[in-house]
Amino acid sequence: QSVLTQPPSVSGTPGQRVIISCSGSRSNIGSDTVSWYQQFPGTAPKLLIHSDNQRPSEVPDRFSASKSDTSASLAISGLQSEDEADYYCASWDDSLPGRVFGGGTKLTVL
Amino acid sequence: QVRLVQSGAEVKKPGASVKVSCKASGYTFITYDINWVRQAPGQGLEWMGWVNPNSGNTGYAQKFQGKVTITRSTSLSTAYMELNSLTSEDTAVYYCARAEGSYPLDYWGQGTLVTVSS
Repeated sequence: QSVLTQPPSVSGTPGQRVIISCSGSRSNIGSDTVSWYQQFPGTAPKLLIHSDNQRPSEVPDRFSASKSDTSASLAISGLQSEDEADYYCASWDDSLPGRVFGGGTKLTVL
Repeated sequence: QVRLVQSGAEVKKPGASVKVSCKASGYTFITYDINWVRQAPGQGLEWMGWVNPNSGNTGYAQKFQGKVTITRSTSLSTAYMELNSLTSEDTAVYYCARAEGSYPLDYWGQGTLVTVSS
């Protein structure tokens, strides 16, 4: 059971916009920033979003994120086939203390 | 460029220990913590702990306390993760990743598959 809760899967067609949610609590998302990671099969995760909504320079602006209270979301617009991957949210949990991840969401591009 | 290069795949018997290395290059080793994250087959990411290469201080997820030991060698710019009393449930890919304190994990190693099998 992951500390952060994500839907196991989402899907969309090319060009669509999809949103992946991430639910936490006051001790993690509610008190620290959220980051998002993208992982393709057989490869290491890659940092996609940091500090709730900041993209590293190499990440396309089709990827955006937001946070409100104890929840966060990742939005992918103009969906492309190469976006098909697993996505994880993460934060720091003050009560543990330690890093926590969501269970991951598999994005399928139909 | 920043690189974290991990040691190769391991096959171990139940009850044994395994030590995985993570060699850093392209930045000043002591300025970023090294974290360890594992991923069991078909499962999500699970944070295990960290080491501060400058001080040697460590922190572990409660689940892994007593199970894992994370160390470093500043002269080799290398961090190590040792897992003891292996069971089949420890079969997973183990990743190292760097971070500045509690900030996100910005660079990751390629992963090391540890298989525990009799």
